[in-house]
Amino acid sequence: DQQVKQNSPSLSVQEGRISILNCDYTNSMFDYFLWYKKYPAEGPTFLISISSIKDKNEDGRFTVFLNKSAKHLSLHIVPSQPGDSAVYFCAASARGNNRLAFGKGNQVVVIP
Amino acid sequence: DAGVIQSPRHEVTEMGQEVTLRCKPISGHDYLFWYRQTMMRGLELLIYFNNNVPIDDSGMPEDRFSAKMPNASFSTLKIQPSEPRDSAVYFCASSRGEWTGEETQYFGPGTRLLVL
Repeated sequence: DQQVKQNSPSLSVQEGRISILNCDYTNSMFDYFLWYKKYPAEGPTFLISISSIKDKNEDGRFTVFLNKSAKHLSLHIVPSQPGDSAVYFCAASARGNNRLAFGKGNQVVVIP
Repeated sequence: DAGVIQSPRHEVTEMGQEVTLRCKPISGHDYLFWYRQTMMRGLELLIYFNNNVPIDDSGMPEDRFSAKMPNASFSTLKIQPSEPRDSAVYFCASSRGEWTGEETQYFGPGTRLLVL
């Protein structure tokens, strides 16, 4: 059973515009959330994370928002660049539990 | 730092054959994870080790799968006998320190397995 869900498997966006990726989770024990980025033929690489004590974390062009009451988080990429074209995975973990639960991923295509 | 190393990068085998996937974690990392990626299920954790000891193997699909970590720098994932439904990309990842949820997992490039 998917505890982390990413709908809208693919997203196309014009270069310079905002990309918004959404992620929903079902396990209320999750208290740490991460986004990973994956290029073809490579492993996922860590992008940005957020603890449940925060509702926003920003790192350069990437911002993650967390809405605990809705069990929802989103990743904003502004401005989008062609190099951002990749698959983005949402992941979550519960304190004291070493497991990361991943979503199925969102394909982002940034059009030059 | 060489990162997490996996071999082979690609494996094509016939149903019923034994498959062994290999992983060398980043030096100094205490945790090692094996994941499988499929279109249907996404990225799912199979098993993870702490200091070479298997901690949680609840994600291992069935007895045909086994994993070992004989030392801090090497782990194997074995499938015997392999079946077409095992076709997937298998990732190894490692991380350091006591897991608090904040430790980043570093992934290898993956092994793309095709079982005919």
